[in-house]
Amino acid sequence: SAVISQKPSRDICQRGTSLTIQCQVDSQVTMMFWYRQQPGQSLTLIATANQGSEATYESGFVIDKFPISRPNLTFSTLTVSNMSPEDSSIYLCSVDGVADTQYFGPGTRLTVL
Amino acid sequence: GEDVEQSLFLSVREGDSSVINCTYTDSSSTYLYWYKQEPGAGLQLLTYIFSNMDMKQDQRLTVLLNKKDKHLSLRIADTQTGDSAIYFCAVLGGATNKLIFGTGTLLAVQP
Repeated sequence: SAVISQKPSRDICQRGTSLTIQCQVDSQVTMMFWYRQQPGQSLTLIATANQGSEATYESGFVIDKFPISRPNLTFSTLTVSNMSPEDSSIYLCSVDGVADTQYFGPGTRLTVL
Repeated sequence: GEDVEQSLFLSVREGDSSVINCTYTDSSSTYLYWYKQEPGAGLQLLTYIFSNMDMKQDQRLTVLLNKKDKHLSLRIADTQTGDSAIYFCAVLGGATNKLIFGTGTLLAVQP
């Protein structure tokens, strides 16, 4: 399975600012995914990021709020823009594996004050 | 839309077997998965089963799939305190090809 790292592991941010989260994989992967896990909740898919094309966003998530980059096959970033306390969550990236499995990074714990 | 449900909490004694249950609505799901999330960590893939299988065993883990009832279970034999975590069931949507996660079951193992 792929080894995935995320930076930062956690952050505390002020309302109105933006945070960029990095996701690095130790091997080339086709698809990368970004999820949000709100406190005590399950995972919700934000968007799917393929290299060389625009990210595909799920209903309820827009590019202006969550811009995503995918410059190569091992790296992606998610930016949480103009943050509010409602954005306090764990943000996880994942990559595709065999049998349509997904392998997850350790997550970024974001608190917005 | 697709829905995946789990019970919220399960408490067992160390050494006993744990059974975590999951129900889903998408009858066209191709793969079904179990993930484990320990406190402060990401999700760890435990095992998965293809929809044409009834059972899969992997060391202490046994997955049972009842496709007719759309019911998936994860049995952990000889449960240890290190098994304490949140367990998520996930299904691969047949139409969307996206993972739909359940609500998660918190497993508490008492020594």
